[in-house]
Amino acid sequence: GQQVMQIPQYQHVQEGEDFTTYCNSSTTLSNIQWYKQRPGGHPVFLIQLVKSGEVKKQKRLTFQFGEAKKNSSLHITATQTTDVGTYFCAGTGGGYQKVTFGTGTKLQVIP
Amino acid sequence: SAVISQKPSRDICQRGTSLTIQCQVDSQVTMMFWYRQQPGQSLTLIATANQGSEATYESGFVIDKFPISRPNLTFSTLTVSNMSPEDSSIYLCSVERGEGTDTQYFGPGTRLTVL
Repeated sequence: GQQVMQIPQYQHVQEGEDFTTYCNSSTTLSNIQWYKQRPGGHPVFLIQLVKSGEVKKQKRLTFQFGEAKKNSSLHITATQTTDVGTYFCAGTGGGYQKVTFGTGTKLQVIP
Repeated sequence: SAVISQKPSRDICQRGTSLTIQCQVDSQVTMMFWYRQQPGQSLTLIATANQGSEATYESGFVIDKFPISRPNLTFSTLTVSNMSPEDSSIYLCSVERGEGTDTQYFGPGTRLTVL
């Protein structure tokens, strides 16, 4: 079946440092989504990318969809303590029409 | 946006018993989804619940263990039957943010502990 892996699994950064999480799918995706889950909370939708090579920005967050539509990245510039949480990518594709969530990257920001 | 509530928010249950989790949405939606999230893990889709038809279960999940009801377009229930400690997880319901968009709103989740 479709597998979506994320690296790193965990990341600790000093406040103000940058952070990047990478998402890789075993199959080509029709779209990719990113969610943030705060500790003790539920996943909250951040953004969806649909086009090959697409780049979208939300304030300090930059999202990119790979040219082959099999990978994606989320980059946070100058992290803040409010960025703490687990970031999941989720994709649809490869003949499997249900959304598959990535393994997640847990971000800890040290003040 | 959709507002989703779940009941109960958490429960501690004994082995061999069953628990029914309710999911209520403030607007009519075609598809509702049930996920399981084991501690520190990602989300795994259990089933898709459509109103008026049987739920569609993902590989590894069966109706006898996780019966689902979808009596109308704003409500669904998931029952975890004959529970064992391995069923201890967070159970989340979700709905599509827009029909066919794949993006989802999630409920707050039900944290289940089985002793």
